[in-house]
Amino acid sequence: DTAVSQTPKYLVTQMGNDKSIKCEQNLGHDTMYWYKQDSKKFLKIMFSYNNKELIINETVPNRFSPKSPDKAHLNLHINSLELGDSAVYFCASSQVAGGTEAFFGQGTRLTVV
Amino acid sequence: QKEVEQDPGPLSVPEGAIVSLNCTYSNSAFQYFMWYRQYSRKGPELLMYTYSSGNKEDGRFTAQVDKSSKYISLFIRDSQPSDSATYLCAMSASGGNYGQNFVFGPGTRLSVLP
Repeated sequence: DTAVSQTPKYLVTQMGNDKSIKCEQNLGHDTMYWYKQDSKKFLKIMFSYNNKELIINETVPNRFSPKSPDKAHLNLHINSLELGDSAVYFCASSQVAGGTEAFFGQGTRLTVV
Repeated sequence: QKEVEQDPGPLSVPEGAIVSLNCTYSNSAFQYFMWYRQYSRKGPELLMYTYSSGNKEDGRFTAQVDKSSKYISLFIRDSQPSDSATYLCAMSASGGNYGQNFVFGPGTRLSVLP
């Protein structure tokens, strides 16, 4: 039973399109995150939600909009995709914000062509 | 200066060697320290978690934290080819406070050669 699952695993799309990535956690955690991993494997925080409330919004283009319908789900919608958006996006969750440990999903590899 | 620094490698060692992986950091508020292992095309998997300074051992893995030097280490004993992966250190300023998140190092790519 997967703890943090995200879909789709791979996403190939054209520039200018709008796409969404979904994430669900069944760990009962209060906090969920979106991280972006670039080609050099560097993981950078994008957003953090605690119990459906946005608590971190790093310097991310406003084309990226997270939505948390409930504390077990955190989706990421991206408008007007650009070539530079190509990366692997990871969803994660932790019991509390910045808490003891974060559990990650398997990642969504986004390729914009 | 980046908040968390880590030698990206690649680091190649023979099977059975002791591996030492390190991170330095600048934010003295960090008090939770983690090591993640990431295989190619997979998500990061938590290996070790340490609170504040000290050592923690789990099987072949030992994590050390020296807050006075702002330096953390992960040691892998009797390394195996299956340990070949990217190792990421991560840290956070506080558990339970809103606005805190996990800050990652860039990762060290390790290859253990049979």
